[in-house]
Amino acid sequence: QVTLKESGPVLVKPTETLTLTCTVSGFSLSNSRMGVSWIRQPPGKALEWLAHIFSNDEKSYSTSLKNRLTISKDTSKSQVVLTMTNMDPVDTATYYCARTTIFGVVGEWFDPWGQGTLVTVSS
Amino acid sequence: QSVLTQPPSVSGAPGQRVTISCTGSSSNIGAGYHVHWYQQLPGMVPKVLIYRDNNRPSGVPDRFSGSKSGTSASLVITGLQAEDEADYYCQSYDNSLTGVFGTGTKVTVL
Repeated sequence: QVTLKESGPVLVKPTETLTLTCTVSGFSLSNSRMGVSWIRQPPGKALEWLAHIFSNDEKSYSTSLKNRLTISKDTSKSQVVLTMTNMDPVDTATYYCARTTIFGVVGEWFDPWGQGTLVTVSS
Repeated sequence: QSVLTQPPSVSGAPGQRVTISCTGSSSNIGAGYHVHWYQQLPGMVPKVLIYRDNNRPSGVPDRFSGSKSGTSASLVITGLQAEDEADYYCQSYDNSLTGVFGTGTKVTVL
């Protein structure tokens, strides 16, 4: 059974850096056909793709957020880490990680998803 | 960053057919990238409904179907049921190899 679980702070202050960890089980981060993506959803709003990392360590970031995001993985720990700098109240959202099927050099669909973690940005 | 456009809401009576459109551009859907659809029930995690344009994962009822043409894609629900009331999102990739989601559509069963 494939599962993903997000962990990290529930509350961060404006200007702080957010660090989220996605711990996966049931598949290996070294699987050439799989990667992990981060996706967020502000309360009552749409889904927004943030970043992905593939087994060969290839990374991609949202164009609008790339200056603030860093994604990395520790295959031995089955963990993917996302950091987002200079947090702002508009970054308040539920953050999800999801397994990503890879087709060539492109990501495809996201399945399954973690349960998500709500991060609130407030002083 | 590119975005896929969906109607904010669609509605239908039980048993009816509803269609959700997903309009992209030549840099994403029109460039040949596959389209995938997700269903998000109230308060729940999104779940893949259709992958690679028109494929249903096991367990997804066959009343859900997907198609793609040019720079657009569609999700059709035939025989709408009360439990289909949810938010639906399309998703693809674009030429910058970044993921992109649709704006989301709320389906209401009248």
